[in-house]
Amino acid sequence: AQKITQTQPGMFVQEKEAVTLDCTYDTSDQSYGLFWYKQPSSGEMIFLIYQGSYDEQNATEGRYSLNFQKARKSANLVISASQLGDSAMYFCAMREPTSYDKVIFGPGTSLSVIP
Amino acid sequence: GAVVSQHPSRVICKSGTSVKIECRSLDFQATTMFWYRQFPKQSLMLMATSNEGSKATYEQGVEKDKFLINHASLTLSTLTVTSAHPEDSSFYICSARGRGLQPQHFGDGTRLSIL
Repeated sequence: AQKITQTQPGMFVQEKEAVTLDCTYDTSDQSYGLFWYKQPSSGEMIFLIYQGSYDEQNATEGRYSLNFQKARKSANLVISASQLGDSAMYFCAMREPTSYDKVIFGPGTSLSVIP
Repeated sequence: GAVVSQHPSRVICKSGTSVKIECRSLDFQATTMFWYRQFPKQSLMLMATSNEGSKATYEQGVEKDKFLINHASLTLSTLTVTSAHPEDSSFYICSARGRGLQPQHFGDGTRLSIL
C-alpha cells in the first residue's frame, strides 16, 4: 500500500515566487519522522528538512519550511523566493521506527523554475 | 556535514558479470546503511537495510542471492550484483545513518549499465 503520496507529478513556479509541494502520508505509528529531499538531474540526493512527529513547531531551514498538519497527515514543503537552481525532483519521505527504522519515499514532484 | 562516498559512479559491463558497489561513511559511524534502486523518472525503491555485523534485511521482491549486501564495518557496506543482466541496469544509491534520530545521508549513486 502506498504510504507516501505526492499528488503533483510536475510543478512550475516563477522565479522569486513561493511554491508549495504537497505530501500526505499514512502510518499507524505515533512516533515517526518526515523528510524532504531534493534530487537534481545529476542524481545526488540532497537533504532539505526534517520534521519529527512530536515536534510542535513547523521545521524551517533557510528558504525551506515544512507545513506539518499531523491530524491531516500532511507534510507540505514550502520553498520561498524560488531560484533557478531549485529546479529538480523533490521527494517526501517517512521514517518508521517500527519498520527497522527504514525510510520510504514518495513518488516525487518535478519542479521547474521559470525565469 | 556528514559525507557518504559511493564508488564507482558509473559502470558499464557485459551481461553475466558481477559488479560490486561500495558505500563508505567518511566522517561518522554508520550503524545502518540502506540500498536503493531508482529507475528513470521514478522514485527510490528500498532494496535492503543493513546493520553493521548482521545480515541485511531485504524488501519483499528483492532477490537475496542476486543482490548480495555486506556491512562488515561501521564505515563500509557493499552491494554486489551477481551475474548481472540488462534488466539490472539502473541507478543504485546508498545511504548511511548514525545512531539516534539523525537523517540519513546519501552517496552520489552508481549508474549501472549492463550490455
